[in-house]
Amino acid sequence: AQTVTQSQPEMSVQEAETVTLSCTYDTSESNYYLFWYKQPPSRQMILVIRQEAYKQQNATENRFSVNFQKAAKSFSLKISDSQLGDTAMYFCAFMPYTGANSKLTFGKGITLSVRP
Amino acid sequence: EAGVTQFPSHSVIEKGQTVTLRCDPISGHDNLYWYRRVMGKEIKFLLHFVKESKQDESGMPNNRFLAERTGGTYSTLKVQPAELEDSGVYFCASSLLHNTEAFFGQGTRLTVV
Repeated sequence: AQTVTQSQPEMSVQEAETVTLSCTYDTSESNYYLFWYKQPPSRQMILVIRQEAYKQQNATENRFSVNFQKAAKSFSLKISDSQLGDTAMYFCAFMPYTGANSKLTFGKGITLSVRP
Repeated sequence: EAGVTQFPSHSVIEKGQTVTLRCDPISGHDNLYWYRRVMGKEIKFLLHFVKESKQDESGMPNNRFLAERTGGTYSTLKVQPAELEDSGVYFCASSLLHNTEAFFGQGTRLTVV
């Protein structure tokens, strides 16, 4: 069974600054995917970024990038040039690669507040 | 294109009553998932449909929960009879077959009193 741990319940960052959200996971799988999802207040959860475990290169999507350390089972999300619209709950999630779609295992989430 | 839609957005029921949650996935998405988040805890998987078939229902808490997806389109999740510990936010998600990106609905907040 997989577990995903997000140990920080809340974080706050000043607008335009950079913030890093931590996530660790535990699995015996060798192939898997890792995700960061964002849920703004009263809105639906959307995918921020995805990383395939077999890829060594860290995924990047505009201001969002990850630091994927496979040996350490760490998957942190860096948000550069934080914007007010980044205020949301962020969930780290794991999906094993089974050749067919599988379920997501989530962490508890972290509430990020961006201060003007 | 419409996203994943869930009805109702909120439901407050008394212990022992029945509630049915509905999820309309994105058209053409064969995968449909139900998840639940109890206050302060992780979002937990409940079950997974591929078209109308239950692919994985290992997360269903007990036999008070019944999920259906007739015709492989929308899905319902019925809780009968509801208990206090069933309170939480129920999320539905859908995805294309063999695609890892899941699209989530806004969730149904269920409160059992």
